[in-house]
Parts: sequence; C-alpha cells; structure tokens
Amino acid sequence: QVQLQESGPGLVRPSETLSLTCSVSGVSITSFYWSWIRQPPGKGLEWIGYIYHSGYTNYNPSLESRATISVNKSKNQFSLRLSSVTAADTAVYYCARDPNENHLDVWGQGTTVTVSS
Amino acid sequence: EVVLTQSPGTLSLSPGEKATLSCRASRSVGGNFLAWYQLKPGQAPRLLIYTASTRATGIPDRFSGSGSGTAFTLTISRLEPEDFAVYYCQQYGNSPRFTFGQGTKLEIK
Repeated sequence: QVQLQESGPGLVRPSETLSLTCSVSGVSITSFYWSWIRQPPGKGLEWIGYIYHSGYTNYNPSLESRATISVNKSKNQFSLRLSSVTAADTAVYYCARDPNENHLDVWGQGTTVTVSS
Repeated sequence: EVVLTQSPGTLSLSPGEKATLSCRASRSVGGNFLAWYQLKPGQAPRLLIYTASTRATGIPDRFSGSGSGTAFTLTISRLEPEDFAVYYCQQYGNSPRFTFGQGTKLEIK
C-alpha cells in the first residue's frame, strides 16, 4: 500500500532554513501531485504547497516567498525547504498525496519541527 | 481566498449517537471540491469524504457527506468509540489551492 514518511531535524534555529524530506513507498512519485501541510500547536491545518513530478509547483501565497518544494525521482522522494524561519514556523509538518488536484488521500504521520535558539 | 467556517467548535456526544458537523464556505466551492478529514494525535490524518459526498476507500458507511455551494455537512450516523477525534473540512480552489476549516473536536460526553 502507499506509505509516506517525513524526516528531518526536529530543531531549527531562528533565521535558518528548515529542510524536510518525504519518502514515498508503494507508488511511483512520477504520478500525482505531492503536498506539504503543517499544523502549529493548538491551531488548524495550513497547506504549504505542492509539486508535480514534472517540477511544476504551486504555493500558498502566505509562504511563497520562503518555501521551495523539489522532487527526487531516483529516490522516490520530495522535499520542503522553508527559509528564514521564526517561532511561528514551529509545527507538525505533514506530507500527502493529491490524486487528482482536489483532495489529499494519503498522509504521512507527521514530524514535529521546533524553531528555537 | 475561500474561508471555511466549521461549527460547532466542540461537539460532546455519547457512543451510539448521531453526529452532525457543519462547514460553511465564504464563496461557492467550485466543482463541490470539498473534503473531510479525521485527525488523531500521533496518527496520519485520514481522508473520509471527497467531492462533498464520495466516501474514501475503506471508510465505514456510517460516515456520509452532503451539501453543495457554500454549505456542507459531515454526518456520523452512530458514533463508535474510535470516532472521537478532530474533524477538518477542506476546499480546493485557485489561490491557495487548498484551504481548511478551523476544525471541530468531537469528544465523548
């Protein structure tokens, strides 16, 4: 079955760049759209952006200036980089699959990232 | 940006009862691209319903979705103990592509 697993540092210093990877198993990443979503403590879900295997990306305007999503087809992975982080970027970060551009049918378990000095 | 407002914020019910969760959009949701998710701590979020009323693979038939335009509902016909969780609605649009409601917490009474 399709599985997604997030990985990356759990602690990032303010002003640095957050980097996360989502490893996909059970399906080729050369299909579908692949999204990043986050949930700050005590708050709701926020979509960050998605990528298609062709490299096409689309971002939430609120994060577009700081977010970069890329894909590594050889490793069946996609990644998120978020620059100039602050405490407001502390959240659980999820990766997810979008089968046809309108919902997210498979999610990873999420990884907690804390921004602190 | 389409804003989704969920109500109630918290719903207290007992197992066996019926739950009705509401999601209202600030503008009509194109294509009825409205989905519902269940979130539990430490678990991967679970897709329940997409395109307003289509149950996702493996979702029990006690979960149903309805609505169109700006008003949508998730109904759980008879609550099981494992159904107590936080539920989010989500719409697909232009910019940003995905927006979520603020969530409804379904708790045991």
